[in-house]
Amino acid sequence: IQLTQSPSSLSASVGDRVTITCRASQGISSYLAWYQQKPGKAPKLLISAASTLQSGVPSRFSGSGSGTDFTLTISSLQPEDFATYYCQQLNSYPITFGQGTRLEIK
Amino acid sequence: EVQLLESGGDLVQPGGSLRLSCAASGFSFSSSAMSWVRQAPGKGLEWVSTITTGGGSTYYADSVKGRFTISRDNSKNTLYLQMNSLRAEDTAVYYCAKYAFGGSGRWFDPWGQGTLVTVSS
Repeated sequence: IQLTQSPSSLSASVGDRVTITCRASQGISSYLAWYQQKPGKAPKLLISAASTLQSGVPSRFSGSGSGTDFTLTISSLQPEDFATYYCQQLNSYPITFGQGTRLEIK
Repeated sequence: EVQLLESGGDLVQPGGSLRLSCAASGFSFSSSAMSWVRQAPGKGLEWVSTITTGGGSTYYADSVKGRFTISRDNSKNTLYLQMNSLRAEDTAVYYCAKYAFGGSGRWFDPWGQGTLVTVSS
């Protein structure tokens, strides 16, 4: 199952609302997770089951979707949110990741 | 504290072998499926392999099938990745992660800090 994230990169300002899209090549129910990765660090789980916010993750992050179309939204960007974001499908093997969305400061 | 600590990364020649280890603590390792994920320099995340709780089932990416073997020792709370016939394209940071299930979801959490494997002559 291929995952296509858009955009691949994004420039935004602190306080902006940002949406990242992840499209699956076939239906994956809600078996989708979102991760944040900063340079030199391991990925950090943000959202599981397409929309379940992980404990400790700020409420400005939210996820939605099911089937083939999913979104990650950051309601008001903070300086610490500038990072690369990946979606991941765990519906079937091989498990796959989107190519990543690099979020940069404008 | 839940923790995963990888080790074993090194510089190895093409065609060589290497074994990575991932030591787990702070959770029930024997009740947890585990996975390896890699990231080539400047590239995205690539799932490598998954093993079920007892080791009875294993899954591999096509890019490593037949060359890599995932295994685990539940008595030592340790996950392994045996890598044979290494190629330049296997150069990456290798992460281990707990494969968790719950409700209607599945996810990888936590992740280790990663260990670097460099394949070069």
